[in-house]
Amino acid sequence: AQSVTQPDIHITVSEGASLELRCNYSYGATPYLFWYVQSPGQGLQLLLKYFSGDTLVQGIKGFEAEFKRSQSSFNLRKPSVHWSDAAEYFCAVGSDGNKLVFGAGTILRVKS
Amino acid sequence: DGGITQSPKYLFRKEGQNVTLSCEQNLNHDAMYWYRQDPGQGLRLIYYSQIVNDFQKGDIAEGYSVSREKKESFPLTVTSAQKNPTAFYLCASSGEGVRRNIQYFGAGTRLSVL
Repeated sequence: AQSVTQPDIHITVSEGASLELRCNYSYGATPYLFWYVQSPGQGLQLLLKYFSGDTLVQGIKGFEAEFKRSQSSFNLRKPSVHWSDAAEYFCAVGSDGNKLVFGAGTILRVKS
Repeated sequence: DGGITQSPKYLFRKEGQNVTLSCEQNLNHDAMYWYRQDPGQGLRLIYYSQIVNDFQKGDIAEGYSVSREKKESFPLTVTSAQKNPTAFYLCASSGEGVRRNIQYFGAGTRLSVL
């Protein structure tokens, strides 16, 4: 069965600092991988996705993620965090059956 | 604007009452989903539907029911059998082909028990 682990429940970074949110997945075949962001009381917005091809994918709001098959990881990065990036971030893995399995989420706090 | 509309934004349930959460999409998507979100647990799939008049149970279907009579609508009923209904409920939809793996979400409904 598919599973997703986000090891960090909370992360605090200073505004302007770099960010890396970790995601590890378990899936037998090549997965479809996603990062979503959720502001308080809102729905989820898709940041980026990986289906195949280039393992470094670019998303919206200056985010990127790298698929590393050998480490079963899909970490999200941003070179310089803005206060508006404070939110909860979810990693998800999908199969061809179009169901998604989500991680428990990482809450990002940005300090000025 | 194309999107997914969930209503109401806030809902309160009395003991023994059934309540229905609305989800409407104008994206012409075939598949629709309902998730439950609890703090620290991510999203858990309640029900999903890949086509009109067909739906399947997800991981936590007990105490919930759905219908899919129209392509654009996928209402969720929280029945009195659901003993712990307080949560944030999210509806999503996805399109065709490879894009069926990309889910788009509504703004959610927060359900509380009176």
